[in-house]
Amino acid sequence: DAKTTQPPSMDCAEGRAANLPCNHSTISGNEYVYWYRQIHSQGPQYIIHGLKNNETNEMASLIITEDRKSSTLILPHATLRDTAVYYCIVWENTGFQKLVFGTGTRLLVSP
Amino acid sequence: DTGVSQNPRHKITKRGQNVTFRCDPISEHNRLYWYRQTLGQGPEFLTYFQNEAQLEKSRLLSDRFSAERPKGSFSTLEIQRTEQGDSAMYLCASSFRGRAAYNEQFFGPGTRLTVL
Repeated sequence: DAKTTQPPSMDCAEGRAANLPCNHSTISGNEYVYWYRQIHSQGPQYIIHGLKNNETNEMASLIITEDRKSSTLILPHATLRDTAVYYCIVWENTGFQKLVFGTGTRLLVSP
Repeated sequence: DTGVSQNPRHKITKRGQNVTFRCDPISEHNRLYWYRQTLGQGPEFLTYFQNEAQLEKSRLLSDRFSAERPKGSFSTLEIQRTEQGDSAMYLCASSFRGRAAYNEQFFGPGTRLTVL
């Protein structure tokens, strides 16, 4: 079962920042937070991951709270092509490789 | 295109028939995964290979399902005696076992199976 809770849907205006929250209150010390997204009719795409510190790459920023019980994925300037389902996943590097996806957040970016 | 490829993209079959899907991972990736996704749900893990060895299998992978990766390159997923409940998108992903604390999986476009 997924260890994360996400809102089922969110809206964002094009050009504005999209802030997608995720709760993972039972996260353990060895578990990373991963974000993937799935654009319609495509396979999921990796966005970013982090353990404790905030992370930024060319796609997004990941803000993890100090107690690590929640995180926020930030798309700084959302475009129409960012319309997708966004999945927040916790993953522990213990040798098991499977990613456990929940139902994600459906982000709709509108003009 | 050097991404993960899957064939066929779509498959329609009648209940009781056998089907086989193929996945070609990114060439230098030694890990390969199969997931299944039904409408409105996130992908569900089925099985995982490191090189040619099948190291993890989900309980979702019933006896009718079998996956192989004979030479550690491409993989096949076979479903025998298909049932209507097998209708789903079957996704393949690959990754490279390099940095230990890293699990970026690259997904293919999927094979959509419809069982009539």
